[in-house]
Amino acid sequence: RKEVEQDPGPFNVPEGATVAFNCTYSNSASQSFFWYRQDCRKEPKLLMSVYSSGNEDGRFTAQLNRASQYISLLIRDSKLSDSATYLCVVNMGIDNFNKFYFGSGTKLNVKP
Amino acid sequence: ETGVTQTPRHLVMGMTNKKSLKCEQHLGHNAMYWYKQSAKKPLELMFVYNFKEQTENNSVPSRFSPECPNSSHLFLHLHTLQPEDSALYLCASSRDREARQPQHFGDGTRLSIL
Repeated sequence: RKEVEQDPGPFNVPEGATVAFNCTYSNSASQSFFWYRQDCRKEPKLLMSVYSSGNEDGRFTAQLNRASQYISLLIRDSKLSDSATYLCVVNMGIDNFNKFYFGSGTKLNVKP
Repeated sequence: ETGVTQTPRHLVMGMTNKKSLKCEQHLGHNAMYWYKQSAKKPLELMFVYNFKEQTENNSVPSRFSPECPNSSHLFLHLHTLQPEDSALYLCASSRDREARQPQHFGDGTRLSIL
């Protein structure tokens, strides 16, 4: 079983739509959680960290559910520029701070 | 963002050549990583260095040889590569032993093997 699993998509949505991605992780000892965005042929860029209480950054909201071992990313009012692959990343934390596990990514296409 | 710098950005080499990729981070991090990403594929972890010591080698062929002279610099020495080694090679760094610290990536080196 993979450490981190994501629906590969693609998610094809119109501009202005709200879209949500989920990501599940297998190790209950995981400590830190992140969402990255990767544009085609570019490096991954940190979008946001995910905290236990959930956090919001503009149109983006991230949630963590430790009991069910999943994290989510909600994008409201989608823009064309949101088209990218979104990577879910889990870090093992304590005694394993340099263990990062990447999901395969979820591709989002926002259409005019 | 210039926190993690990779050179060269693009590299074309023959299978018999020897070349090196360079990564430098200016973030005060102490863990550095090499990843490979083939076209339309997920990231594959290659090597991890923590305080200059290699802590992970993810079954990488010996034609890839990493070097980490200090916490700010990481090299990937290449020799006798194969066409299937053509990919985007990404360097990342992070601050070890601190919770909730993400990785920061360089722009990558796009490698083509002729």
